[in-house]
Amino acid sequence: DQQVKQNSPSLSVQEGRISILNCDYTNSMFDYFLWYKKYPAEGPTFLISISSIKDKNEDGRFTVFLNKSAKHLSLHIVPSQPGDSAVYFCAANPPGNTGKLIFGQGTTLQVKP
Amino acid sequence: EAGVVQSPRYKIIEKKQPVAFWCNPISGHNTLYWYRQNLGQGPELLIRYENEEAVDDSQLPKDRFSAERLKGVDSTLKIQPAELGDSAVYLCASSLVALSGTEAFFGQGTRLTVV
Repeated sequence: DQQVKQNSPSLSVQEGRISILNCDYTNSMFDYFLWYKKYPAEGPTFLISISSIKDKNEDGRFTVFLNKSAKHLSLHIVPSQPGDSAVYFCAANPPGNTGKLIFGQGTTLQVKP
Repeated sequence: EAGVVQSPRYKIIEKKQPVAFWCNPISGHNTLYWYRQNLGQGPELLIRYENEEAVDDSQLPKDRFSAERLKGVDSTLKIQPAELGDSAVYLCASSLVALSGTEAFFGQGTRLTVV
């Protein structure tokens, strides 16, 4: 029972273009959604989050959009840079304020120079 | 400031052998998590500590896995005996508080291979 799904295992974009990473979820009670980035042989690092009561959050080149009716969120990276090449995980906090994260399977982003 | 430190980075053991992983969280972080990441999947929570108390261990296979967090700081995760299916990356994370939306800081992980 995969509560958070990232259906695209990989994505390749040209440097300077927009990268759009997608995530779907099943539980409408999730409190927060977070994106983590992971480089090889390193642990995941936090990138950006959004509360379930918002529909957009922006931080520099990174913007997360939340569509609650569709149970869908997306991460936009504009402009994409080669250093953005990594695995991106979508994660959700279940209700109860535990800080527990439920992760998707991840999407590998490759930004080509 | 040092991040979350895990050791060892890599471990190869034969099945049925015991293995232990160690985690030193960020100083002052009361909440500590152990996650397991199988190949091609996202991390999955095994156990969560608030200080020295295990407050969520519902996904820990208790027949072979055990964990402790002495004095509410460092933590160890043990598997005895290990099985082939335990091969995975074991990630430790910590956060200042256990609240939704709070950033969790992850260590580099321990990659376990059971042969």
